[in-house]
Amino acid sequence: ETGVTQTPRHLVMGMTNKKSLKCEQHLGHNAMYWYKQSAKKPLELMFVYSLEERVENNSVPSRFSPECPNSSHLFLHLHTLQPEDSALYLCASSQEFGGTNYGYTFGSGTRLTVV
Amino acid sequence: DQQVKQNSPSLSVQEGRISILNCDYTNSMFDYFLWYKKYPAEGPTFLISISSIKDKNEDGRFTVFLNKSAKHLSLHIVPSQPGDSAVYFCAASENQAGTALIFGKGTTLSVSS
Repeated sequence: ETGVTQTPRHLVMGMTNKKSLKCEQHLGHNAMYWYKQSAKKPLELMFVYSLEERVENNSVPSRFSPECPNSSHLFLHLHTLQPEDSALYLCASSQEFGGTNYGYTFGSGTRLTVV
Repeated sequence: DQQVKQNSPSLSVQEGRISILNCDYTNSMFDYFLWYKKYPAEGPTFLISISSIKDKNEDGRFTVFLNKSAKHLSLHIVPSQPGDSAVYFCAASENQAGTALIFGKGTTLSVSS
């Protein structure tokens, strides 16, 4: 158990579907992140929430919509995705956003396939 | 443009030998570096870190070396074990409030028995 739980583990969706990815942490961390891992590419930072406020959005298409209702939960709402959005989506949390980085705790990820 | 580069996508090593994974960075403001290990179907897990005030940090079989002038760091695993087979990600940050970790592409290490 990593302390960060992501559901679902696998998701197949059509381009016209709407789905949501869920992330939950009970580590008392104040910052949460969404990263995208595509084949042969670096882990790409998508969104950062610090104390439930979005603090960074790395030019992510609007078909990805994050939501952080409280410090323990983070969602990624998906709408009208493209096949190239198929990837592993990783959620992570850390004590604070930046500062003394003791490292992030990652979830196991959601393997998303867009058909 | 990638700020953290892992130019070797894969590395194969025999059990008991040394594994050396390399990482280069371009941002001179980076002053904190981490290595993560990832098994299939799992998220990355923190392995070891080093700050720019040091040039070496050791934890058991794992040692990270930092060469700031060359903007290069490496992870040494000695002796390598089959259980070390995984993807290793290098990450860097400016270690100040409001900055996120920047990751490389990862290097897949295969340790054969």
